[in-house]
Amino acid sequence: SAVISQKPSRDICQRGTSLTIQCQVDSQVTMMFWYRQQPGQSLTLIATANQGSEATYESGFVIDKFPISRPNLTFSTLTVSNMSPEDSSIYLCSVVYQEFFDGYTFGSGTRLTVV
Amino acid sequence: AQSVAQPEDQVNVAEGNPLTVKCTYSVSGNPYLFWYVQYPNRGLQFLLKYITGDNLVKGSYGFEAEFNKSQTSFHLKKPSALVSDSALYFCAVRDLGGYQKVTFGTGTKLQVIP
Repeated sequence: SAVISQKPSRDICQRGTSLTIQCQVDSQVTMMFWYRQQPGQSLTLIATANQGSEATYESGFVIDKFPISRPNLTFSTLTVSNMSPEDSSIYLCSVVYQEFFDGYTFGSGTRLTVV
Repeated sequence: AQSVAQPEDQVNVAEGNPLTVKCTYSVSGNPYLFWYVQYPNRGLQFLLKYITGDNLVKGSYGFEAEFNKSQTSFHLKKPSALVSDSALYFCAVRDLGGYQKVTFGTGTKLQVIP
């Protein structure tokens, strides 16, 4: 299965600032996904990042708040913009490599606290 | 729309006893089902998946899951629980014929009591 490196692993940020999270994969993958896991909650899909095209956002998430880049088949970034305490969550990237063999692989997550 | 229900927020089981974590799903087409485990301060680890074939799927760490189409269920099981199995378990589904979006259940906290 693919191996994902996600950075940073955690951060404490001031209200109103932005944080960019990086996701690096050791294999070329077509689709990368960004999830949010709020405290004590399940995972919610933010968007799907396709190389060479605009990300596809789920209902309730907008590009201005969560801009995503996908410059190549092994890398993506998610920016959490103009942060508020409600953005405090774990953010995870996920990829599918050999979908019907490996399932979906997740990064270790970025634990964000906004103060 | 696809959805997953995990009816139990927490399951407690004594070490050595069999465990079951329940999951039911809803998809419009054929389901592609997963179980993931999340240990404290860790990412999600893949346990097992079902696409087609044998209804009993074996996965990592001695876990297995039984697919039941008529009951639209995919319960996670283990014959003998270990204290180290204590973690948060997520069931997930995607529609095989649809967009590659995976929907997760709300999670079940498994507590194995020594």
